[in-house]
Parts: sequence; C-alpha cells; structure tokens
Amino acid sequence: DTEVTQTPKHLVMGMTNKKSLKCEQHMGHRAMYWYKQKAKKPPELMFVYSYEKLSINESVPSRFSPECPNSSLLNLHLHALQPEDSALYLCASSQVYRDRGSGELFFGEGSRLTVL
Amino acid sequence: AQTVTQSQPEMSVQEAETVTLSCTYDTSESDYYLFWYKQPPSRQMILVIRQEAYKQQNATENRFSVNFQKAAKSFSLKISDSQLGDAAMYFCAYRRIIQGAQKLVFGQGTRLTINP
Repeated sequence: DTEVTQTPKHLVMGMTNKKSLKCEQHMGHRAMYWYKQKAKKPPELMFVYSYEKLSINESVPSRFSPECPNSSLLNLHLHALQPEDSALYLCASSQVYRDRGSGELFFGEGSRLTVL
Repeated sequence: AQTVTQSQPEMSVQEAETVTLSCTYDTSESDYYLFWYKQPPSRQMILVIRQEAYKQQNATENRFSVNFQKAAKSFSLKISDSQLGDAAMYFCAYRRIIQGAQKLVFGQGTRLTINP
C-alpha cells in the first residue's frame, strides 16, 4: 500500500466555521507533512511531524492547528479562516532520516478548501 | 538559504518528441538531493526522478533522464518520446533534512503541454 489518503476532497466553509482535514497512510512512515498550495504556485510547507511530535512549524497562523494522534493519522484543524486561506492542502509522508536517505515524499491528492 | 529557479513557466512538445525542462538552484551544501515531481490535473504530486549530488552519473528512469551539472548548479529534466499522459505541472525541488524530516524547496513549476 503506497497511498496517502486525504478527506474530504472538497470543503467549503464560512469564516466562523470549525472544520478538519484528515490524512492517513499505512506505509509505516514516521514523518508526515502538511503543505498549502495556491493556484499555479508550488506547494509551501506548513507543518512536519516526526514520530508523532511537531518538528517543523513554518510560522503558520494559529487558526491552523495540526494534530498527529498516531503514526498513521494526521489532522489539520481549521478555525476562523480567511478567504485568502482558500487553497489546495496536501498531505505527505516519508521515512525519517538522520543524515541522508534517498526516499521520496508520498503525497495525497489534496483537499480543496474554499473559505467564503 | 536554498533557492530553486525554473525559468520556463510553460512548455509544449509534440507527442513522441523530446523536451527538456530547465532548473537551477543555489546552495552552499555539498551533499544534497534533487527531485523532479509532476502534478497532473488529478492534483497528486508524483516523483519522477531523483539525483544525489555526490553521484556524478545522471539519473535515468525509463523515458525520463536528468542532466546534472553540479558546478553550474543545474538540474534539467529530459523527457523522451513524450506521451499525452506526461502533460502536467513539473516541479524541480531541492531537499534538506531538518530534524529527520525532509524539507523540499520547490521551484515555481513548468506547465508541460503535449500536442497530439
């Protein structure tokens, strides 16, 4: 199984709503990632979890709250978002490396978020 | 800080022909990985090919090959015998390892169109 599964595929929410994006992988990877991608732009790293602990936060606003309940699951909780937060949110997973390692990131198909 | 530059926002090629996508990067590190990812309309980022900097031999994966020029910090992707399924956004990426996790620095992308 080499899949990263993201739900929902599409989400529309108001600025006062609370919603969550979910990501699941069963490849035994212990690093999981959230990326944000605006239209016609490259993905931008938001958060990284290594061994279920937050290891990288790229100065993301607190209205985005990540959670890694176990080694297979990654959530992104959304609250009080702004219309400019509308984007494709990609989840990815990989092995954890100390120095090097040729392994790739495995990406999901993303959740398309629209904030009204 | 590492930067990745893709100078061709769009490229097109006739089916069965060969096309080369350009990528340059800037780094002070001596050992690193470079990747090409493709993102078709399905939105999922898919690894095309990877290159480790200390290996002088250019990586090849079936119809895909790279021309890696370390001194010039250039990493171009050649697609031979282009197929309709190759149509996608192609991102060049530089990889850093931070706290065991991979941080990809992406270029701006090149949109490849295949003309039948």
